[in-house]
Amino acid sequence: DAKTTQPTSMDCAEGRAANLPCNHSTISGNEYVYWYRQIHSQGPQYIIHGLKNNETNEMASLIITEDRKSSTLILPHATLRDTAVYYCIVNEGNEKLTFGTGTRLTIIP
Amino acid sequence: DAGITQSPRHKVTETGTPVTLRCHQTENHRYMYWYRQDPGHGLRLIHYSYGVKDTDKGEVSDGYSVSRSKTEDFLLTLESATSSQTSVYFCAIGGTTYEQYFGPGTRLTVT
Repeated sequence: DAKTTQPTSMDCAEGRAANLPCNHSTISGNEYVYWYRQIHSQGPQYIIHGLKNNETNEMASLIITEDRKSSTLILPHATLRDTAVYYCIVNEGNEKLTFGTGTRLTIIP
Repeated sequence: DAGITQSPRHKVTETGTPVTLRCHQTENHRYMYWYRQDPGHGLRLIHYSYGVKDTDKGEVSDGYSVSRSKTEDFLLTLESATSSQTSVYFCAIGGTTYEQYFGPGTRLTVT
């Protein structure tokens, strides 16, 4: 699976959009981009995934660049409950996920 | 939330004793997974299952065994617990497009 690079930490003001970047320059054509988050002491939570088109669901939007070498997860109106560690994972859709260290997002009141 | 439960949620046991953790799902998903999470290591895959009686090893399988006799249950067994197996254990199930849904976790302490 391709390696991903994310910033270690980010802050975002409550009510603003949180934009979390991820670089995956070695992604292959059949690999998907998945995003998960983990709120303190809870199990990881699936957020969204995509292959090459932008995706949106009730939680977030995923923007993937045309060359697929990077992506951005957008939380449109961040709340305090969005404070968590966010993981960007690139995977073929097989059975194994590799979690890196992620981005610690802190929402500031 | 996906219907995944883990039991027990907390357990303290002594070195050398056997321990079994249970993961139960109500979603009828084919894939199930066991991970452990430790400070500085993130989540690491222990074992996974792709169907009843079909299992395979993950990244950190030494000292662990699994069994899946029914679609809804995936058991993780530590045959002889060691202090290095003190961790938080998460079970997950695989969705239709390979996204995974995680349970609430089991905090295991081996003294």
